[in-house]
Amino acid sequence: AQSVTQLDSQVPVFEEAPVELRCNYSSSVSVYLFWYVQYPNQGLQLLLKYLSGSTLVKGINGFEAEFNKSQTSFHLRKPSVHISDTAEYFCAVSDQGGGGFKTIFGAGTRLFVKA
Amino acid sequence: DVKVTQSSRYLVKRTGEKVFLECVQDMDHENMFWYRQDPGLGLRLIYFSYDVKMKEKGDIPEGYSVSREKKERFSLILESASTNQTSMYLCASSLPFSNQPQHFGDGTRLSIL
Repeated sequence: AQSVTQLDSQVPVFEEAPVELRCNYSSSVSVYLFWYVQYPNQGLQLLLKYLSGSTLVKGINGFEAEFNKSQTSFHLRKPSVHISDTAEYFCAVSDQGGGGFKTIFGAGTRLFVKA
Repeated sequence: DVKVTQSSRYLVKRTGEKVFLECVQDMDHENMFWYRQDPGLGLRLIYFSYDVKMKEKGDIPEGYSVSREKKERFSLILESASTNQTSMYLCASSLPFSNQPQHFGDGTRLSIL
């Protein structure tokens, strides 16, 4: 069975500061990893994904994430946040053999960017 | 761009009513999903479908049913709405491969009074 743990439910940060949103997963099979963002009153949209290859993955809006297999982590980072990054962020894992319908989402991390 | 459209953004219904939530996608995706989103619980899968007329239960199917008569449309049905079904409902679609992301609609905020 798979599980996803987002270690922080809320992260307040000042504008232009760096931020890291933490995600750990457990799985007995190989997985693909995703980060999604949800802006207020909207659905989720893909930020980035790790499928294979380089463990550092770059996404939209200046975000990046690093896959660490030994620590089973996939933390999301941005070197300098903007007010517009205020949103909820979800980490997700997908079973590689699952046909696209065995995806587990974390509980989400609310990022508050303050002026 | 993939577009997933949910028929209502906000819906208010009464306990015991039969409620229909509709979702349409325009990218010919095989997979479609219904989730409910509650604070602190993330997204929980209610049902998914991998083809027309095919459906599978997710993690919390009790009190819900689904219908997929056409590839582009996936409906969620609350057979007899109860107050504990007040929630945000999200529809998503994807290609049938686990390395493909899901594409989400904007959600329906459902209140059961």
